[in-house]
Amino acid sequence: SQQGEEDPQALSIQEGENATMNCSYKTSINNLQWYRQNSGRGLVHLILIRSNEREKHSGRLRVTLDTSKKSSSLLITASRAADTASYFCATDTLLKAAGNKLTFGGGTRVLVKP
Amino acid sequence: EPEVTQTPSHQVTQMGQEVILRCVPISNHLYFYWYRQILGQKVEFLVSFYNNEISEKSEIFDDQFSVERPDGSNFTLKIRSTKLEDSAMYFCASRKQGAYGYTFGSGTRLTVV
Repeated sequence: SQQGEEDPQALSIQEGENATMNCSYKTSINNLQWYRQNSGRGLVHLILIRSNEREKHSGRLRVTLDTSKKSSSLLITASRAADTASYFCATDTLLKAAGNKLTFGGGTRVLVKP
Repeated sequence: EPEVTQTPSHQVTQMGQEVILRCVPISNHLYFYWYRQILGQKVEFLVSFYNNEISEKSEIFDDQFSVERPDGSNFTLKIRSTKLEDSAMYFCASRKQGAYGYTFGSGTRLTVV
C-alpha cells in the first residue's frame, strides 16, 4: 500500500453541509499537511499539523491527527460551492541526506452543490 | 505573498525531444523540489535539491532527468528524450530552512505527442 491513502475518493455534498475526509499513512512522519487543488491547477497549502499535535483549526478547516492509528482527518465546515476541489493529504518525512520530502495521497474529490 | 513561479505553464513537445522546465523559487528558500502528477493520478515526488546538490531522488528520476540551479534564482528540470508517458503536470516547490511549509508553483503541463 501507498503512504497517504485517502477516503472517500469522492464526496458530493450540498452547500452548507460539512465535508469530512480521511487519510491513512504507514511510516513515521514529522508532520502531515493538507493541500487543495482546483481542476488542472496548482497545489495550495491549507493546513499543517505536527506529529505532536492532535487537532488544529484554521478558519472553516479542522484537522486531526492520530499518530497511534497513523491517520488524519480534514473537516470543512459550512461548505461553499467554491470549496469544490480535490483535497490531498501529504506526509512530511525526513530525508537521509538533507531536508524533508512530501508524500501525497490519492486525494478526495469534493463536489459542493449550490 | 511570495510565490514560486513556473514557466511555461504549458509545453507541447515531440517524443524524443528534450524539454527544460523552469522554476523560480522563493528567494530566501533553500530547499527545492520537483513533483509530477500524471492526469488523474497522485502527485509523485521526483527530486529534492539542497546546497547545490540532489538530496534525494525517486525511482522515477532516472538518467533521463536532471536538475540544475544555474544561477541564484532559477531551478530547472531537464527531461531528455521525452516519452509519451512523461506527459504530466510538473510542480516545483520550495521550502525555507527550519520551516515546515512548502510553497508550490502553479505547475507546467507537459504534453508529449
